[in-house]
Amino acid sequence: EAGVTQFPSHSVIEKGQTVTLRCDPISGHDNLYWYRRVMGKEIKFLLHFVKESKQDESGMPNNRFLAERTGGTYSTLKVQPAELEDSGVYFCASSQDRRLRGTEAFFGQGTRLTVV
Amino acid sequence: AQSVAQPEDQVNVAEGNPLTVKCTYSVSGNPYLFWYVQYPNRGLQFLLKYITGDNLVKGSYGFEAEFNKSQTSFHLKKPSALVSDSALYFCAVRHNILTGGGNKLTFGTGTQLKVEL
Repeated sequence: EAGVTQFPSHSVIEKGQTVTLRCDPISGHDNLYWYRRVMGKEIKFLLHFVKESKQDESGMPNNRFLAERTGGTYSTLKVQPAELEDSGVYFCASSQDRRLRGTEAFFGQGTRLTVV
Repeated sequence: AQSVAQPEDQVNVAEGNPLTVKCTYSVSGNPYLFWYVQYPNRGLQFLLKYITGDNLVKGSYGFEAEFNKSQTSFHLKKPSALVSDSALYFCAVRHNILTGGGNKLTFGTGTQLKVEL
């Protein structure tokens, strides 16, 4: 069974440019999460999809970040325009039924974003 | 609000010795607790979790963790460390009440474990 996959693994862009990160969750997982780790700090929650609906987007830092999950399958996270402080590692995770709150989430390898 | 503290940025231990990576948490009500590990150039891998029941939970690669409600701790342990255990370890908590705190995980800052020969 394929795990959570993220593309690209690394991205280096200039300040002001646009970057789109993609996440393919484990097949059959309705829950999809985005997290971010900035400059060696804690991994912080960005948002949570249940199928195609945004369940919780309380962690999105500002309106330069746009997440979508068309059809409830893969998800994209677009940063436009990118700023220096957006640099970090962006993790995607997926899990099964959200009512089973003890269920662990499975993470992808992350996308390392560097804004220069 | 829920929070996790990992007081040690780095833990060094000799191979064959026992290891402990510390984690304390703060959450309303009873927590769901998790440990994840990140090996170099890899994603986060699930190690173990505490949901309910026995306070000592066993996970992958010989790791275990002890839930201590009175001390609000969930320290990760292994009786005999291996060089291959060297990695970045994250503790995380999730609120266990469906209507409180959402379904998100709150992570600590991570602890780098270095096991040397």
